[in-house]
Amino acid sequence: DQQVKQNSPSLSVQEGRISILNCDYTNSMFDYFLWYKKYPAEGPTFLISISSIKDKNEDGRFTVFLNKSAKHLSLHIVPSQPGDSAVYFCAASAGNQFYFGTGTSLTVIP
Amino acid sequence: DTEVTQTPKHLVMGMTNKKSLKCEQHMGHRAMYWYKQKAKKPPELMFVYSYEKLSINESVPSRFSPECPNSSLLNLHLHALQPEDSALYLCASSRGDTQYFGPGTRLTVL
Repeated sequence: DQQVKQNSPSLSVQEGRISILNCDYTNSMFDYFLWYKKYPAEGPTFLISISSIKDKNEDGRFTVFLNKSAKHLSLHIVPSQPGDSAVYFCAASAGNQFYFGTGTSLTVIP
Repeated sequence: DTEVTQTPKHLVMGMTNKKSLKCEQHMGHRAMYWYKQKAKKPPELMFVYSYEKLSINESVPSRFSPECPNSSLLNLHLHALQPEDSALYLCASSRGDTQYFGPGTRLTVL
C-alpha cells in the first residue's frame, strides 16, 4: 500500500518558468515531509523539508507547501534551470521510518 | 558536514560469491538504513538500525545480512545472491527528521 504518492511520473518545463511537483499522502501520523533530488545511479540528495506544524518553507529557489487538510504537498522551483533536470522524490516520516513517493522526472528545457 | 560515504561504488559478483558493502557517517546520527533501489523506482527500505541495534527488517531474504559494528559504520554482507538482486544499494542516516543518503553501490549479480 503506497502511503506517499506522486501521480505525475514526468514533467517538462521551460527554463526560467516555475516547476510545480506534487505529492499526496494518506497517513495522518506523518509529521515531517521531505523532497529529494536524484540523478541516475546516484543516491538521493536532500533538498528541502517541512514540519507538519508549518504550511510553507522556502530555501532559495525552492519552496515547499503543505496542505494538511488535503494531505498534499508541493515543491515549487522558481526559476527553473536546466541543472534542475532530475527525478524528484517526496518522502514522509513518522519516527524513524521514511516513506517515499514513486518520483517525478523533471526536464527543464533550455 | 552531511556526508554519508559508501564503498565500493560498483560491485560485480557471481551467485556463489560473498561480498560486503560498507557505509560510514560521522554526523553523530544514531539511525542508519539500508535501501535497495531499482531503476525508476523509489528506494525500498531493507533494514533500520537505531542506536546500533537492528530495529526494522523489512522481510529481507537471509542472503542479505546487515551489521552495525559501531555508531558510524554499517555493513551489508551479501551471500548467494540472485541476478534479480542487481540494483543500487543505498545507505542513509538520520537524526531527527532528516535523512541523508550516500551515493550508493551499484551491484550487478551475474
